[in-house]
Amino acid sequence: DVKVTQSSRYLVKRTGEKVFLECVQDMDHENMFWYRQDPGLGLRLIYFSYDVKMKEKGDIPEGYSVSREKKERFSLILESASTNQTSMYLCASSRGDTTQETQYFGPGTRLLVL
Amino acid sequence: AQSVTQPDIHITVSEGASLELRCNYSYGATPYLFWYVQSPGQGLQLLLKYFSGDTLVQGIKGFEAEFKRSQSSFNLRKPSVHWSDAAEYFCAVGPGTYKYIFGTGTRLKVLA
Repeated sequence: DVKVTQSSRYLVKRTGEKVFLECVQDMDHENMFWYRQDPGLGLRLIYFSYDVKMKEKGDIPEGYSVSREKKERFSLILESASTNQTSMYLCASSRGDTTQETQYFGPGTRLLVL
Repeated sequence: AQSVTQPDIHITVSEGASLELRCNYSYGATPYLFWYVQSPGQGLQLLLKYFSGDTLVQGIKGFEAEFKRSQSSFNLRKPSVHWSDAAEYFCAVGPGTYKYIFGTGTRLKVLA
C-alpha cells in the first residue's frame, strides 16, 4: 500500500514564524501535491511538484513556498505565518504524468497560527 | 470555467437506508471523475474513479457511481448505509495533467 506521511498532525505557531510542513511518500511517486482544506471551500491546490527540484504553482500559492530536494519528500514552507493560514494542510502523491493516476493522501496537518 | 459542484453540504440518513450524493461538473471534454471519502481526522481515501467505458463504476465499501454525460453528473450511491459511512465525501474532476478540481464536500451523518 502507498503510504504518505506528514510530519505533524497538529501544529501551533505564532504570527510571523517560519513554518515547515514535511511530507514523505514511500512509493517512488513522481508527483507530489500540497492542498489546503477549509470548511465550505473544499480542497485547494497550493503547489505541486512533478519531479525533484521541479514545482508549479497551484491555485493559491501566495504566502507559501515549497521544496523538493529528494523524490520522496515534499516540504511546504510558510515564510511568515499569518492567522489566515490557519487551516488543514493535506499532502498527496501520485504516479506518472497524467491525471488518471490516483492521488494518495496523507492524514493531514492541522495548523493553528496565533 | 471548469468546476465541480456538490449541492448538498450536509445529508442525514438512517442506517440501512439508501444514499445518493450529488456531483455536477463543468468541463468541455470527457473528464476524469473521482469520489474520495474523508473520515474524521483522516486524509482522503479514493472510493472510485471513472475514466472511460462503462458508465456505472463500482468502488470500495459497497459504493457505486454513475457517469451521465447529458446531465454532467457523477452521483455516488450506496444501497444500504452503515454507521461507519459517516464521513465527508468529495467529488473531484481531473481536467488536465496532474491537477484535480475538488468539490466543497458533502458531510454525511448516519442515524442509528
